[in-house]
Amino acid sequence: DAKTTQPNSMESNEEEPVHLPCNHSTISGTDYIHWYRQLPSQGPEYVIHGLTSNVNNRMASLAIAEDRKSSTLILHRATLRDAAVYYCILRDNNAGNMLTFGGGTRLMVKP
Amino acid sequence: DTAVSQTPKYLVTQMGNDKSIKCEQNLGHDTMYWYKQDSKKFLKIMFSYNNKELIINETVPNRFSPKSPDKAHLNLHINSLELGDSAVYFCASRTTGRSTEAFFGQGTRLTVV
Repeated sequence: DAKTTQPNSMESNEEEPVHLPCNHSTISGTDYIHWYRQLPSQGPEYVIHGLTSNVNNRMASLAIAEDRKSSTLILHRATLRDAAVYYCILRDNNAGNMLTFGGGTRLMVKP
Repeated sequence: DTAVSQTPKYLVTQMGNDKSIKCEQNLGHDTMYWYKQDSKKFLKIMFSYNNKELIINETVPNRFSPKSPDKAHLNLHINSLELGDSAVYFCASRTTGRSTEAFFGQGTRLTVV
C-alpha cells in the first residue's frame, strides 16, 4: 500500500493561510489523494480529495504536484476552529475499500 | 438527522464482560467500517463490510466480531473484554469507489476497568 508522510505538527496564526504538506512518493496512477481532519473529541471528517488537478471546495484547496508525489492542503484563512489533526490518505485500491490513516499533522492555530 | 450514529457514546465495563456497540447509517452506503483509536491517537482500521463481504484486519483479535443485520447497520461485538481494549471506536460508511468520501460517527469511548 502506498504510504504518506506528513509533519507531526504545524502552527499558524489566526486568519493567515496554512499550507499542510504531504509526501506520497509511491503513489500509483489510480490512487486518489484524500484529506480528512479530526477535531478534538470528534470523528474524522472529510475535507477534500483529488486525482491530478488542483481542487477547491468551501473548506480548502488541494494542490497536487505534477508528478503526484506530493500534495498540499491549503486553508486560506485559518480560524481557531480549524485546529485539528489533518490526515493525508491515499485511497487504496484494495479489497474492502479501506481508508488507512497515518499519523497526520496536528495543526495549532494561535489567536 | 445524523448520517452515521453510534450508541452508546460512553461505555464503562469490567474485564471479562461481553459488550456491543451499535452503528447505523442513513446514507444508503454499501460499505461500513470500524476503526479503533487508542490513547496515542492512531486510527486503526479493524473491519470493512461490503455487500456481506467482510474484510478483517489480521491484527484484530477474534474476540472482536462485526455483525450486520442489514445494509444500514454494522454492530461491533466484543467478547471477554481486556484492559487493552480501552479506546475510542469509530464507525464509518461510504459508497464503493476510490473517489467517494467516508462519513464517520462521533465515536464510542470504551473504558475497561
